[in-house]
Amino acid sequence: DAGVTQSPTHLIKTRGQQVTLRCSPKSGHDTVSWYQQALGQGPQFIFQYYEEEERQRGNFPDRFSGHQFPNYSSELNVNALLLGDSALYLCASSLGGQGNSPLHFGNGTRLTVT
Amino acid sequence: RKEVEQDPGPFNVPEGATVAFNCTYSNSASQSFFWYRQDCRKEPKLLMSVYSSGNEDGRFTAQLNRASQYISLLIRDSKLSDSATYLCVVNSNDYKLSFGAGTTVTVRA
Repeated sequence: DAGVTQSPTHLIKTRGQQVTLRCSPKSGHDTVSWYQQALGQGPQFIFQYYEEEERQRGNFPDRFSGHQFPNYSSELNVNALLLGDSALYLCASSLGGQGNSPLHFGNGTRLTVT
Repeated sequence: RKEVEQDPGPFNVPEGATVAFNCTYSNSASQSFFWYRQDCRKEPKLLMSVYSSGNEDGRFTAQLNRASQYISLLIRDSKLSDSATYLCVVNSNDYKLSFGAGTTVTVRA
């Protein structure tokens, strides 16, 4: 039973560049949520995708965008990277995406912006 | 006010000790509560859900106090392997789960 997989594991980018992070949900899950975790902080909700639509969004600028594909996998895109975007980006999957559904996390992508 | 607030700790306890800590949440309409565990530079992993009547899972006990809007986690007979950051998670609305900043627990031999 495959868990949540994310790629790449690590990434180094320069300010102003764009980045795409990828996530495959746990088998049987249909909902993908993305979180940003800065060092020493808890994960911050970016957005959630369900049925290929962005269903809920956190307090992040439009530079952060995403997509969900028919096979439930998802991408997170960040444009015009800032130094402050350096963080661990976590993808979490769940079934139905309701607030009572626990999240299962991938290993994360560690993004460094220089 | 933050949606979920936790005492960051750290709580430094000897093996075999009991440690407990709380988490407060701001949305009185929240219905779902969880504790996650996160090891250094790893992803969060579900430790346990928190039910209205309180619940136990081995050495771990979670309680919910709706009137005061806090949940608690108690760890009995602490093991070295319990050293981690414990994240409190609360649903902010129908779809969004909000995380606290975490409480760090260090168990020493």
